[in-house]
Amino acid sequence: EAGVVQSPRYKIIEKKQPVAFWCNPISGHNTLYWYRQNLGQGPELLIRYENEEAVDDSQLPKDRFSAERLKGVDSTLKIQPAELGDSAVYLCASSQETGWGRGELFFGEGSRLTVL
Amino acid sequence: GESVGLHLPTLSVQEGDNSIINCAYSNSASDYFIWYKQESGKGPQFIIDIRSNMDKRQGQRVTVLLNKTVKHLSLQIAATQPGDSAVYFCAETKSSNTGKLIFGQGTTLQVKP
Repeated sequence: EAGVVQSPRYKIIEKKQPVAFWCNPISGHNTLYWYRQNLGQGPELLIRYENEEAVDDSQLPKDRFSAERLKGVDSTLKIQPAELGDSAVYLCASSQETGWGRGELFFGEGSRLTVL
Repeated sequence: GESVGLHLPTLSVQEGDNSIINCAYSNSASDYFIWYKQESGKGPQFIIDIRSNMDKRQGQRVTVLLNKTVKHLSLQIAATQPGDSAVYFCAETKSSNTGKLIFGQGTTLQVKP
């Protein structure tokens, strides 16, 4: 079975340019997450979806970041315009259940963004 | 080998030795804890979890210990192998909402052949 698929793996852009990341979660996983991981740090949650609904976007910088999950499957994360401080790895993860379920998230390999 | 104190960025151990990775969590309301392993260039991978009604849980070659009194978590790896080389993160959350994981900063484990 395929894992979480993300693209692109690497992206280099100049500041003020837009960028978008795509994620395809594991089939059947209703919950999808976008995390940001700065160099040498643990992942930090940006947004969590339950099906199509964003149930936790409290950490998403809404002035420049946006996300969508149409039809409750694939998701895109967009940054416009990008700033130097946005350089990081953007991780997508999915899980079968939250609530009282097991906290096992399945992560993709990430999209490494470098803003020059 | 063992990481000491609240957090040690790198732990270096000899192949075959046991490793102990420590983690201090911040939220006393957290009652569910998970260890993840992240290899270079990959996303984190679930290793083992433990709920606050337990002090110890064992998996295959791994054991997680929880001390709620001092808000401390540890991961023990028996007979450490080169394939165990990675960054290890502890994560905390409330079991009523396992979708909101808070990750620690991570410890790099280096296994010397």
